[in-house]
Amino acid sequence: DAGVIQSPRHEVTEMGQEVTLRCKPISGHNSLFWYRQTMMRGLELLIYFNNNVPIDDSGMPEDRFSAKMPNASFSTLKIQPSEPRDSAVYFCASSSEMNYGYTFGSGTRLTVV
Amino acid sequence: QQPVQSPQAVILREGEDAVINCSSSKALYSVHWYRQKHGEAPVFLMILLKGGEQKGHEKISASFNEKKQQSSLYLTASQLSYSGTYFCGASSGSARQLTFGSGTQLTVLP
Repeated sequence: DAGVIQSPRHEVTEMGQEVTLRCKPISGHNSLFWYRQTMMRGLELLIYFNNNVPIDDSGMPEDRFSAKMPNASFSTLKIQPSEPRDSAVYFCASSSEMNYGYTFGSGTRLTVV
Repeated sequence: QQPVQSPQAVILREGEDAVINCSSSKALYSVHWYRQKHGEAPVFLMILLKGGEQKGHEKISASFNEKKQQSSLYLTASQLSYSGTYFCGASSGSARQLTFGSGTQLTVLP
């Protein structure tokens, strides 16, 4: 199993640009989570999908952030326009009903300058 | 609300034991424990469910006290490979999503 696959691994962009982060969960996992990690705020849940449906998006900072899961094998997190305070490591994680433990992807380190 | 972890950091010598605590102000359904090494993703260690027993794997085990709404992670005879930041993640009710604590940085010295 290739695990949870995220791309890109690193992204450097200028303020105001659109950024799209991608995630491929483990096949058979029906729950997908997007987390953001910073030194100041730790691991924060942004959004949680179950069977491709958004269940909890209360952690999405503001309208600049949007997430989609068009099918069971792909999800995107988009930031438009990006701001320096969005700089963080963004993790995607997936889990199944049989094994509640999360498997995290390697993360995308986003730097907005 | 974020679970509270203690201590924030601990330094050990190889072979020593450590306990990391995680407490919540909300009624807990499950507690997860993860370890994250610098520059890497968090890795799942174990899950404790409400009504479940204490779990363990070799020299790392955990307990879950529902009444006190807290969990503890026990690392016995620590090894250099145990170094990293340990996070507890908690869920309430039937929610699958976790709220993570701020982490405990564990350093094991030779």
